Amino acid sequence: GAGVSQSPSNKVTEKGKDVELRCDPISGHTALYWYRQSLGQGLEFLIYFQGNSAPDKSGLPSDRFSAERTGGSVSTLTIQRTQQEDSAVYLCASSLYGAGANVLTFGAGSRLTVL
Amino acid sequence: KQEVTQIPAALSVPEGENLVLNCSFTDSAIYNLQWFRQDPGKGLTSLLLIQSSQREQTSGRLNASLDKSSGRSTLYIAASQPGDSATYLCAGYGGATNKLIFGTGTLLAVQP
Repeated sequence: GAGVSQSPSNKVTEKGKDVELRCDPISGHTALYWYRQSLGQGLEFLIYFQGNSAPDKSGLPSDRFSAERTGGSVSTLTIQRTQQEDSAVYLCASSLYGAGANVLTFGAGSRLTVL
Repeated sequence: KQEVTQIPAALSVPEGENLVLNCSFTDSAIYNLQWFRQDPGKGLTSLLLIQSSQREQTSGRLNASLDKSSGRSTLYIAASQPGDSATYLCAGYGGATNKLIFGTGTLLAVQP
């Protein structure tokens, strides 16, 4: 596609429910990132996918968080048993190769509110 | 652990002024650096990318520089316009990891 697409744009859920957030990167981009932006905070790295390599999961805050990238394209971030502190905007970004040499293009984000 | 500080946290200027936004890294081993802008409720838009072999980049009224010896970058905006109002974020890539580490941003308001 022309840009990075994220869905849903807004999600309100109850504490304890599971949620799935989807990211559709730019076609042909091999690198895909998930970041989290809490109110008044900077961007927090969550996970990085590069081609067929094992993902860098070092930023996932707990084992309730997981992510997959199927076929080197679409990615899904899953949060199990959501907590109120999970409320944030979840941003996905992609680049042609790793961010070391290429511009990162972000989606508009998925705003998650946990009641 | 790499930390990124952006100064000032907020800035309000009248239209037409030239301004400088600052970004500094605790670990100066920055491989490359990107500047982004974020409009309210929107994602981030890349403005400039300074590659490892470069010291600065220019795009229109924007100029970004990177001093690797000190781990500092500046974003210069010439002849500011109300449409420049946004949050500006810098992000550095250290090479040792795959992460872009972001600063907390500078909120810029350009008054007409």
